Amino acid sequence: NAGVTQTPKFRILKIGQSMTLQCAQDMNHNYMYWYRQDPGMGLKLIYYSVGAGITDKGEVPNGYNVSRSTTEDFPLRLELAAPSQTSVYFCASRAIAGETDTQYFGPGTRLTVL
Amino acid sequence: KNQVEQSPQSLIILEGKNCTLQCNYTVSPFSNLRWYKQDTGRGPVSLTIMTFSENTKSNGRYTATLDADTKQSSLHITASQLSDSASYICVVSAGAGTYKYIFGTGTRLKVLA
Repeated sequence: NAGVTQTPKFRILKIGQSMTLQCAQDMNHNYMYWYRQDPGMGLKLIYYSVGAGITDKGEVPNGYNVSRSTTEDFPLRLELAAPSQTSVYFCASRAIAGETDTQYFGPGTRLTVL
Repeated sequence: KNQVEQSPQSLIILEGKNCTLQCNYTVSPFSNLRWYKQDTGRGPVSLTIMTFSENTKSNGRYTATLDADTKQSSLHITASQLSDSASYICVVSAGAGTYKYIFGTGTRLKVLA
């Protein structure tokens, strides 16, 4: 199993540009999450999904959109990039069996908006 | 307000030494507490998960403790190795929600030869 994969690893955007951060998992997990990690701060939840076709907002959803058309994929869309979106983005997934199930994280995408 | 605070912010120790990292939380309702290891440039990796009824959990040289009464947890690393250099993040799950994980800011550990 590849686990949770994310692409790209790095990206530089200009203000106002758009992009999609890709996330895929091959563990057949129902739950998927998008977090951002700013320097010196804890991870903040952007969006999450409990299954294909179901998504919901987390703590910091403004400026982002997601979709979940399949169990495997959970892309994150930035429509109008702003410098405040400069961060490291992590995708994670979890099985549904219980509250103590492990959350598996991808390697992250480092995004800089100039 | 749900919060997870970790101390120290950073720590430097010599290889072979032990160390203890602290986590205090004010999260309600409490479901479980997790410790993650995050290597530089990588995603967090789970070390331990403890529920309300568990007060200790080990994973190799890592031992986590939980005192649900005082809302404190610690992560003890025994006989540290250079590969232990990483950030250690305490995460508390707030109730039975599918997304309510409260992340601490982490302790950055550096192990020197």
